[in-house]
Amino acid sequence: GAVVSQHPSRVICKSGTSVKIECRSLDFQATTMFWYRQFPKQSLMLMATSNEGSKATYEQGVEKDKFLINHASLTLSTLTVTSAHPEDSSFYICSAGTGLLAGLQETQYFGPGTRLLVL
Amino acid sequence: EDKVVQSPLSLVVHEGDTVTLNCSYEVTNFRSLLWYKQEKKAPTFLFMLTSSGIEKKSGRLSSILDKKELFSILNITATQTGDSAVYLCALSGGSNYKLTFGKGTLLTVNP
Repeated sequence: GAVVSQHPSRVICKSGTSVKIECRSLDFQATTMFWYRQFPKQSLMLMATSNEGSKATYEQGVEKDKFLINHASLTLSTLTVTSAHPEDSSFYICSAGTGLLAGLQETQYFGPGTRLLVL
Repeated sequence: EDKVVQSPLSLVVHEGDTVTLNCSYEVTNFRSLLWYKQEKKAPTFLFMLTSSGIEKKSGRLSSILDKKELFSILNITATQTGDSAVYLCALSGGSNYKLTFGKGTLLTVNP
C-alpha cells in the first residue's frame, strides 16, 4: 500500500516554456500532498503544501505565480513550473500524507521524483 | 522554526561494520520523527518514532528516540554495499504532516 506515482520522471524543456508535473496516490486518498525541490547534494526543501479543494500554502521564498499547484481530487495534485528558466532545473518530488489510514503509517510517502532540465 | 541537525554529514565504512547515525532537533510541537533512505530517486520510508525509549527494528536497521534530550539515532549492523545511500531524518511538528528535513548523512559502504 501507499504508492505514489509521478509523471514525467524526466523532462527537458526550453527556457520560457511551462512544464506540468503530476503526482498521484495510487491506492489511497490523500487530502494533503506536498511538493519538494532538491538540488544536487542538498536535502529536500518544501515548496508548498497542497490540500484538496483549496489553495496551496507556499513556503517563504517560493513564488506562487511561478509554481502553480492544483489539487483537484483526493488522488491527484499537479505542479506547473511556468516560464521555466535554467535556474529552475532541479529534482522535484511530491509526497502524499496518509493521515490515519488502516495499515499505513501516518506519514508521508514519496513519489519517485521528476528531474527537470531547462535549457 | 523547527530545526533538524544530522551528523555526521558523511561516513565511509567497510562491509560488516556497524554504524550509528545521529539526528538532533528543535521543535515547537512534536508530532513524530521519521527516518528515510534516499538512493538515486525519492526517499523511501524507514521508521516513524513518536515515543521515547521504544526501539523500532527492521532487519539490520533499528532506531530509537529520546524526547527529553531531543535526538534520535539510526543503527545499521553488519552493513552491506546496498546500504550505501543518504539517510534523512525528518521532523513532523505541525497538524498538517509537514516535514522538516535534515541535510542527511551520506553513507558509503565499501566491499
